[in-house]
Amino acid sequence: KAGVTQTPRYLIKTRGQQVTLSCSPISGHRSVSWYQQTPGQGLQFLFEYFSETQRNKGNFPGRFSGRQFSNSRSEMNVSTLELGDSALYLCASSLSRARDGGELFFGEGSRLTVL
Amino acid sequence: EDKVVQSPLSLVVHEGDTVTLNCSYEVTNFRSLLWYKQEKKAPTFLFMLTSSGIEKKSGRLSSILDKKELFSILNITATQTGDSAVYLCAVEGGSEKLVFGKGTKLTVNP
Repeated sequence: KAGVTQTPRYLIKTRGQQVTLSCSPISGHRSVSWYQQTPGQGLQFLFEYFSETQRNKGNFPGRFSGRQFSNSRSEMNVSTLELGDSALYLCASSLSRARDGGELFFGEGSRLTVL
Repeated sequence: EDKVVQSPLSLVVHEGDTVTLNCSYEVTNFRSLLWYKQEKKAPTFLFMLTSSGIEKKSGRLSSILDKKELFSILNITATQTGDSAVYLCAVEGGSEKLVFGKGTKLTVNP
């Protein structure tokens, strides 16, 4: 079956712009989590969505937001981009919520560069 | 705040060597510890550990958890060039968020 699909794979933006990233989970998976990965900080949790509701949120400013649709697809948005937002954004899906021990399946990520 | 520290940060070995990767953690209300392998982009799941002292094994890879001393190790025996990757350790606690370490970059030279 198809894995987790993230689009776009690569994008370049300038400071002040906004960006929307998309994630299609594995069919049947209802939980989607987002992570930011940078060389300095490693993988950092952004948020988790389950059944269209945000269930958990990491320590990121309000410029980072997300949503989940009824088909479990998820989007995340970053507004007023800063240079430090340059990172690989990874989406992961699972059958159940992370707290229930569901194995996470990661997508290939969206590489965002902010100039 | 929950914290995961991996060591070493990077490691270079020759094919056939055995390596041990370390992961120590501080977390409130520990639930599970997970190991992932990241070769290019998408991390892939290796093990989930919840109980102390029970070794999980998959081929040449094995892992064990010590909940008293708050650490886990990942062993890889008879390393191959295909084992070259970043190995990530993550812990879930009462916050229900996965907290990742910065990873150990393993390079296996032929």
